Amino acid sequence: DTGVSQDPRHKITKRGQNVTFRCDPISEHNRLYWYRQTLGQGPEFLTYFQNEAQLEKSRLLSDRFSAERPKGSFSTLEIQRTEQGDSAMYLCASSRTGGRNTEAFFGQGTRLTVV
Amino acid sequence: TQLLEQSPQFLSIQEGENLTVYCNSSSVFSSLQWYRQEPGEGPVLLVTVVTGGEVKKLKRLTFQFGDARKDSSLHITAAQPGDTGLYLCAGARGSNYQLIWGAGTKLIIKP
Repeated sequence: DTGVSQDPRHKITKRGQNVTFRCDPISEHNRLYWYRQTLGQGPEFLTYFQNEAQLEKSRLLSDRFSAERPKGSFSTLEIQRTEQGDSAMYLCASSRTGGRNTEAFFGQGTRLTVV
Repeated sequence: TQLLEQSPQFLSIQEGENLTVYCNSSSVFSSLQWYRQEPGEGPVLLVTVVTGGEVKKLKRLTFQFGDARKDSSLHITAAQPGDTGLYLCAGARGSNYQLIWGAGTKLIIKP
């Protein structure tokens, strides 16, 4: 197993365009998380899935953001009508079913730059 | 307002010195994790502490969870340039053990 994989690593897009990122979690992990991280800050929770069910979505997340995990394996995060404020590192993490000592493992992230 | 406060935010020291990074909260956590992140990469898990008062060692790194499970510390002995990075703490809380993140401590070890 190669760990959590994210694609692409970098994305530059023009304001107003739509972008989609992909995350492939560790194969036996049924939880998948999306985070956003800006420079000098810790990761900010966006949403998480348990298998194919999206169980929680941050209230800070605008309607332009949507995530799917159709078969409980890989996940996609789409941002519609991108804005310059969307520029950030988008991180995906996966874990086994949550428990008090559940450990999350992160991918290398997708760096989004909106110009 | 950060639920998890990390201090210091930035630390630059010489190789060989010791240092301690703190992670504090008024909330109780089920567990607390420490991660190290390098520029352009995702965070890498270092350790998870679960029990109040627990101490875990990872080579020159010593992690402690507070007795009340509200705070934690990371102590590095004889720091080396390879320890340079962003150190993040994350506490698990709630019925779904959602992770709450600190803003990180940026550590630079000068040779």
